[in-house]
Amino acid sequence: DSGVTQTPKHLITATGQRVTLRCSPRSGDLSVYWYQQSLDQGLQFLIQYYNGEERAKGNILERFSAQQFPDLHSELNLSSLELGDSALYFCASSSVTGVGSPLHFGNGTRLTVT
Amino acid sequence: EDKVVQSPLSLVVHEGDTVTLNCSYEVTNFRSLLWYKQEKKAPTFLFMLTSSGIEKKSGRLSSILDKKELFSILNITATQTGDSAVYLCAAHSGTYKYIFGTGTRLKVLA
Repeated sequence: DSGVTQTPKHLITATGQRVTLRCSPRSGDLSVYWYQQSLDQGLQFLIQYYNGEERAKGNILERFSAQQFPDLHSELNLSSLELGDSALYFCASSSVTGVGSPLHFGNGTRLTVT
Repeated sequence: EDKVVQSPLSLVVHEGDTVTLNCSYEVTNFRSLLWYKQEKKAPTFLFMLTSSGIEKKSGRLSSILDKKELFSILNITATQTGDSAVYLCAAHSGTYKYIFGTGTRLKVLA
């Protein structure tokens, strides 16, 4: 158990809808990262937050947004969902942003858009 | 653009074989190279490498980094069926990102 908690485990929704994925980092970790994993594309970096502030952005669509709250949990909001958004969404946390801290992953949220 | 490339894409071996997985990287302000094992769900951390030429070992797994040639290898000796998984490498860049390769899918046959 990595200590990173993601909810829900599974989500099935229709095209055009909006969903929110939630992540609680490991105790003491200030950084939260979101990744999307599709069958043919590996782990794609979406966005990173450090202690409530956005630090880095990857290939995140404009329909997607995220935030990190004062208690350090994070939410990823996906809107106007399309079939191609179906994927496994991982949250990971680390204690610092510099050298010396690996990412620890949650078990992911599997999103299916029908 | 930051890039991590792994090879081979997939590998099938028999129990007891030794395998070598490759990872090359090009990232801005490289900080570290990480290896993960992914079975059914979350990637689990194996190694983090920051210095060239220093081997990290954990049981039958070992890894080394070459910062001059920008690559790393992961070796697994005396493979077992439980080693079957996707092995991911990631490069940590100075822009706070961890860039992952697409992984090597290893299948170990009994």
